[in-house]
Amino acid sequence: QVQLVQSGAEVRKPGSSVKVSCQASGGTFSSYVFSWVRQAPGQGLEWMGQITPIFGTQYAQKFQGRVTITADDFNTTVYVELRSLRSDDTAMYYCARERGRGAWFDPWGQGTLVTVSS
Amino acid sequence: NFMLTQPHSVSESPGKTVTISCTRSSGYIASNYVQWYQQRPGSSPTTVIFEDNQRPSGVPDRFSGSIDSSSNSASLTISGLKTEDEADYYCQSYYESIKVFGGGTRLTVL
Repeated sequence: QVQLVQSGAEVRKPGSSVKVSCQASGGTFSSYVFSWVRQAPGQGLEWMGQITPIFGTQYAQKFQGRVTITADDFNTTVYVELRSLRSDDTAMYYCARERGRGAWFDPWGQGTLVTVSS
Repeated sequence: NFMLTQPHSVSESPGKTVTISCTRSSGYIASNYVQWYQQRPGSSPTTVIFEDNQRPSGVPDRFSGSIDSSSNSASLTISGLKTEDEADYYCQSYYESIKVFGGGTRLTVL
């Protein structure tokens, strides 16, 4: 049973960067596909991108050039870094593992709140 | 690229049945699997339906999913509504490696 545990809440100033981690336990980390999904306060879910063992990273067009997803196989941890932060990047950031032919997400991490404020 | 459109909110009484739709803007709904997630306030999403109509273990059979090619939409149906079903529900699909979420539907059980 895979479990995902994310790092704690962050507060950043506009223009800075943030890096959020997601540690996986259980299963074979290097074979999994992980995505990052964010949710602004009171808003819906927004896919940011993913990292795959074979094909590397793919990002939503909206975040191209501003986001980097990486994985550390030794520490079974996935990271998302978002740069040039703006106030509208304030959101809960979730990692999730992709499963099956249908590319569904299970499990999800508990979420990391990133607040961007001057 | 395509969008998934859901109703903003639905409401129904306990014991009744409710259906939430998810309409694909372009391309065929049957081309790529559709998933449904439940999100209660303050919690991470959890899967209630995957691959159009499959239920993860632990999800009651009151939850069912379907695809309608004529309307190019997917549907989540919840029967025998319980107050604990009150939550936000999101559909999700994909094309190539890109994942797409619907805007979410707030289900109120009153």
